[in-house]
Amino acid sequence: QQPVQSPQAVILREGEDAVINCSSSKALYSVHWYRQKHGEAPVFLMILLKGGEQKGHEKISASFNEKKQQSSLYLTASQLSYSGTYFCGTLWREAAGNKLTFGGGTRVLVKP
Amino acid sequence: SAVISQKPSRDICQRGTSLTIQCQVDSQVTMMFWYRQQPGQSLTLIATANQGSEATYESGFVIDKFPISRPNLTFSTLTVSNMSPEDSSIYLCSVVSYSYGRSDTQYFGPGTRLTVL
Repeated sequence: QQPVQSPQAVILREGEDAVINCSSSKALYSVHWYRQKHGEAPVFLMILLKGGEQKGHEKISASFNEKKQQSSLYLTASQLSYSGTYFCGTLWREAAGNKLTFGGGTRVLVKP
Repeated sequence: SAVISQKPSRDICQRGTSLTIQCQVDSQVTMMFWYRQQPGQSLTLIATANQGSEATYESGFVIDKFPISRPNLTFSTLTVSNMSPEDSSIYLCSVVSYSYGRSDTQYFGPGTRLTVL
């Protein structure tokens, strides 16, 4: 029961904005966002721990709606370096330890 | 953050053979995870490897196929046994740097790209 990410893919022009959503069927303790470039390991972007919390990393930010069991990642004024596949990893309240369950990924391509 | 290395970075193996993948971390970590990522797919957890105890496997993964060792707090190995072409994937180890609770960040190693012929 992996979280559902949408959209599956998005193509942007440099400077445009995009939103990636991550929805869970189970109550969440936290949501972790990663970006993976082709042939490389996933790189940690941010973690959201509390309902309603928003965090940011440069012009990439995210929100977490605990009630709706979902998180959104916002790519603002996108740069070429934002291209890659974005994964959300969810930590369910009922799960033991730190086991993350990853969504299917969203492929982002930023064009000049 | 932790610095993680994996060996080998890639390998091409024959059906029926086994490959052992090593994961080395530059600091002591409590929790290590092994993931599989099939081409174009998401990350699937194989097992959790804690030092001093047996690895815990996820549904669909068994110890006979993916034996894991965790001899100390900086090292682990994953063996892919009796390989078939369906085992062709990227295998990644991941660590949680601190044990301050469930809010800890996971970091990934560079991965081992395995092709089985």
